[in-house]
Amino acid sequence: AQSVTQLDSHVSVSEGTPVLLRCNYSSSYSPSLFWYVQHPNKGLQLLLKYTSAATLVKGINGFEAEFKKSETSFHLTKPSAHMSDAAEYFCVVSRREYGNKLVFGAGTILRVKS
Amino acid sequence: DGGITQSPKYLFRKEGQNVTLSCEQNLNHDAMYWYRQDPGQGLRLIYYSQIVNDFQKGDIAEGYSVSREKKESFPLTVTSAQKNPTAFYLCASSEVGVGTDTQYFGPGTRLTVL
Repeated sequence: AQSVTQLDSHVSVSEGTPVLLRCNYSSSYSPSLFWYVQHPNKGLQLLLKYTSAATLVKGINGFEAEFKKSETSFHLTKPSAHMSDAAEYFCVVSRREYGNKLVFGAGTILRVKS
Repeated sequence: DGGITQSPKYLFRKEGQNVTLSCEQNLNHDAMYWYRQDPGQGLRLIYYSQIVNDFQKGDIAEGYSVSREKKESFPLTVTSAQKNPTAFYLCASSEVGVGTDTQYFGPGTRLTVL
């Protein structure tokens, strides 16, 4: 069965410094993995998606994530944080054996200090 | 302008009342989903539908009901049987088929039981 663990519930960085949000997954199949972002009281926006075409996935707003099968990880990174990056981030795996339903991690709240 | 709309944005309900949340999409997607979001718990699937006039229970369907009479609409009713309905509710849609597991989200409805 698929599951997702986001290793940090809160991350705090200074503006202009790198961002690292950590995610580990378990999956019986070759998974589809996603990162979504949610600003307060808003819906979720897709940042990026991994589908086995390339292990390094580039997304919107300068974010990227690397799929590491040996470590079962899919960490999200950004070289330089911006104030507008402050939000909650969700790592998600697709449950292919259940019609592509999604399993969500508990979320990581990113705080960006000026 | 394609997307998913949810209404209302905020909803207040007295205990013992049923209430219906609206979700409409003009993306021509076959599949639609309802999620509940509580702080620190990620998103949990309530119901989903992959075709008109058909829907399936998700992980937390008790106390909720849905209908899918039109492709573009998937309303959710929160009944008085739902013990703790105060939450943020998100609707999503996707295509159906191989490689179509990306879901697109609406802006959400925040339900508060008084």
